[in-house]
Formats: sequence, C-alpha cells, structure tokens
Amino acid sequence: TQLLEQSPQFLSIQEGENLTVYCNSSSVFSSLQWYRQEPGEGPVLLVTVVTGGEVKKLKRLTFQFGDARKDSSLHITAAQPGDTGLYLCAGAPPPGTYKYIFGTGTRLKVLA
Amino acid sequence: DAGVIQSPRHEVTEMGQEVTLRCKPISGHNSLFWYRQTMMRGLELLIYFNNNVPIDDSGMPEDRFSAKMPNASFSTLKIQPSEPRDSAVYFCASSPGGGPGGNEQYFGPGTRLTVT
Repeated sequence: TQLLEQSPQFLSIQEGENLTVYCNSSSVFSSLQWYRQEPGEGPVLLVTVVTGGEVKKLKRLTFQFGDARKDSSLHITAAQPGDTGLYLCAGAPPPGTYKYIFGTGTRLKVLA
Repeated sequence: DAGVIQSPRHEVTEMGQEVTLRCKPISGHNSLFWYRQTMMRGLELLIYFNNNVPIDDSGMPEDRFSAKMPNASFSTLKIQPSEPRDSAVYFCASSPGGGPGGNEQYFGPGTRLTVT
C-alpha cells in the first residue's frame, strides 16, 4: 500500500517566519501535486511537479520534487496569515489505477 | 467557469435515513471523483467515474453507499441507511483527464454530513 507521510502535522508560526513542510513516501510517483485547503472549502491545486529534482516557485512558495521522485517539500518564505490552511500532497495514481494517494496533511496557522 | 458545484452544503439527518449528495462537475471534464474527508482518516477516494462510467468503486465502504452518474453534468452519492460513522465532509472533484495519471483535480466546496 502506498502511503504519503507529511510532517509536521501541525505548525503554528508568527507572520514573517519561514517554514518547510515535507511529504515522504517509500514509493515512486510519476508526479506529485500540492493542494491548500481552507476551512469550509475543498482543496485547491497549487502546483504539480513531474521531474525528479524539479523546483517550482509560486510567489513565496517553493516546491521541490525529490531526485528519486519519492518525496517532496514545500517551503514558504515570510509566511502571512493568508497562508493559513491545510496543505496536502498527492501522488499520481500508480500505473493502471486511478487513486491519487493523498498525504496525511499539514495544518498551518500563521499568526499576525 | 462556476467550478464544481455540490449540494447541499450541509446535511443533518437521523440514523437510518437516506441521504443523497449531488455534484455538478466542470463542463468538459470527463473524470469525476467522490471523496470523504475525516480528521482520523484524511481524504479517501470513494469512487471514480470516467465518461459517466464507474471505473473504480473499491473505496466505497459498504453496500449502503451507491453512486451514479446519469450524464456528464450530474452525479449523486447516496447513503441508505445512514449511520453516525458516516459523518464526514464529502467532496466531489472533476478532472479534464481521461485516464490514470497526474491530471489535476478540481474540488467542489464539499457537503458536511452529520448523522445523529
């Protein structure tokens, strides 16, 4: 069974601080997605990484896919209260299946 | 584009009652997913449709759960009879992709179901 473990599970930081969220697995994924979910809403796709070692930037967010395509990280620079939410990573379905493998989630709170 | 539309947004029902959740995917998307989210188990895939046909329903927890997609613009998830352990947030998502792979999913706002 493929699993995606995220760490930390919970994170509470002050506005302006930097943080990194990790998404780890023992399985290889063809691609990996990061979503952010705000209270009362569905997850919203932030980015898809496809190539091992790939780095993508979205304003203050930097996403990296591990060289072996088994792990990923999300780094936020100068966090703002608007970054508060649940961050989920999702591995692309294994060949022949349709189930995205969602991570356990990291709940981030940025205090003003 | 209106995005994925789900109704109702909140549902409170008594144990044993039938519950029907509704979803309208994004126009032109040919893949539809039903998920359930709880604090304990996170986001779980219940069923996946491609071109209105159920492809993988291995995530449907029990025979009490059923899902249909009579046309490209509408899907339902029904629970009959409902039980307190079914309490969760149910999400519908659609994707433009036609098969397995890393196609992006667009989630609806969810239906928060409470079974008392």
